[in-house]
Amino acid sequence: AQSVTQPDIHITVSEGASLELRCNYSYGATPYLFWYVQSPGQGLQLLLKYFSGDTLVQGIKGFEAEFKRSQSSFNLRKPSVHWSDAAEYFCAVGVTGGFKTIFGAGTRLFVKA
Amino acid sequence: DSGVTQTPKHLITATGQRVTLRCSPRSGDLSVYWYQQSLDQGLQFLIHYYNGEERAKGNILERFSAQQFPDLHSELNLSSLELGDSALYFCASSVDVGMDNEQFFGPGTRLTVL
Repeated sequence: AQSVTQPDIHITVSEGASLELRCNYSYGATPYLFWYVQSPGQGLQLLLKYFSGDTLVQGIKGFEAEFKRSQSSFNLRKPSVHWSDAAEYFCAVGVTGGFKTIFGAGTRLFVKA
Repeated sequence: DSGVTQTPKHLITATGQRVTLRCSPRSGDLSVYWYQQSLDQGLQFLIHYYNGEERAKGNILERFSAQQFPDLHSELNLSSLELGDSALYFCASSVDVGMDNEQFFGPGTRLTVL
């Protein structure tokens, strides 16, 4: 069965420090992978997506993610975190043929001054 | 603002009652998705409609039903409500049915069942 694991429930980083949020997926075929961000009281916003091609994908707000098939991972990175990045981040896999998206449990990011 | 609207923003009701949540997709989007977000279950896919037809079902209870109307707005009906149905319900829309289409999420409807 398809699944997404985000091993870190919450992460705290200092403003200006680098960030990496982990995501592992389980899916039989080549996955459609996504990272979404949810600010408090808001809906989800797509940060970036991977379908094929270059395994390093760039997204909005300075985020990037790298697809590693051998590790079934799609980790999200940002070189320098800003206080406004504090939010919850969701990794997701799109199930082709099933027309549905499976979300991970989310990682809440706290940014300290 | 994603362009997806959901009403109402908040809903408080009692156990055993029935409620209807409404979603208007972005202009031109044919697909509508419904999700439930709760503390214990996380973000769960419920159901997907494309141009009026159901395309996929997720973890949707039999007490829940949805439909997409000819004008493409969608409604999620929740009946015989239980305390555990308290959650944030999101609607999302996309242009087409393929997984390569970005989903745009509405602000959600917070349902509280007392």
